[in-house]
Amino acid sequence: DIQMTQSPSSLSASVGDRVTITCRASQDIRNDLDWHQQKPGKAPKRLIYATSTLQSGVPSRFSGSGSGTDFTLTISSLQPEDSATYYCLQRNSYPLTFGGGTKVEIK
Amino acid sequence: EVQLVESGGGLVQPGESLRLSCAASGFTFSDHSMDWVRQAPGKGLEWVGRSKQKAESYTTEYAASVKGRFTTSRDGSKNSLYLQMNSLKTEDTAVYYCARVNPSENYSFDYWGQGTLVTVSS
Repeated sequence: DIQMTQSPSSLSASVGDRVTITCRASQDIRNDLDWHQQKPGKAPKRLIYATSTLQSGVPSRFSGSGSGTDFTLTISSLQPEDSATYYCLQRNSYPLTFGGGTKVEIK
Repeated sequence: EVQLVESGGGLVQPGESLRLSCAASGFTFSDHSMDWVRQAPGKGLEWVGRSKQKAESYTTEYAASVKGRFTTSRDGSKNSLYLQMNSLKTEDTAVYYCARVNPSENYSFDYWGQGTLVTVSS
């Protein structure tokens, strides 16, 4: 199975800060990596797919990059509504595996 | 508008069975693989299994943790996806989500249901 190591597990940042979350795969997953956002008590929703393609309607302050084994989700200017937990997901091979999640809090 | 609505969750005892449903609307059901993902209380997301699209002969894939106990199926006449869960264990307690896989978007999950809670406890 492909292990997805996501870091940090949590972070606290101020409005306007640049925030970076990383995911490392235990083997090459090409660009088969998505990012999902989950707010408390809600279902996840897709932010980015195929490493860097922004979901329609998602603000452009979100971006994704990487390839192979190392991937990054960046929020260029953190907003209060970005308080949530973020998960990476590899779809390269079965079983699909999620990162452990990053809880983003606003200072 | 794409909608996914799960149902069937509840409280069961260890060793018992439960069947979850996911009612899909707003798209051609047979053209999409459908996945189950679960989330234990206070924990992260865990992929459970997949019912593949018609073009892949509706075959299935499962996580090791549920293989042999859980079976996913679909009824095209009802646009519904099912998860039959047998021999339930306390560690199966979770919110179960269904998610649509989009073959036009790199086979990514593009829609999620709202989830249904399964509690396995004596």
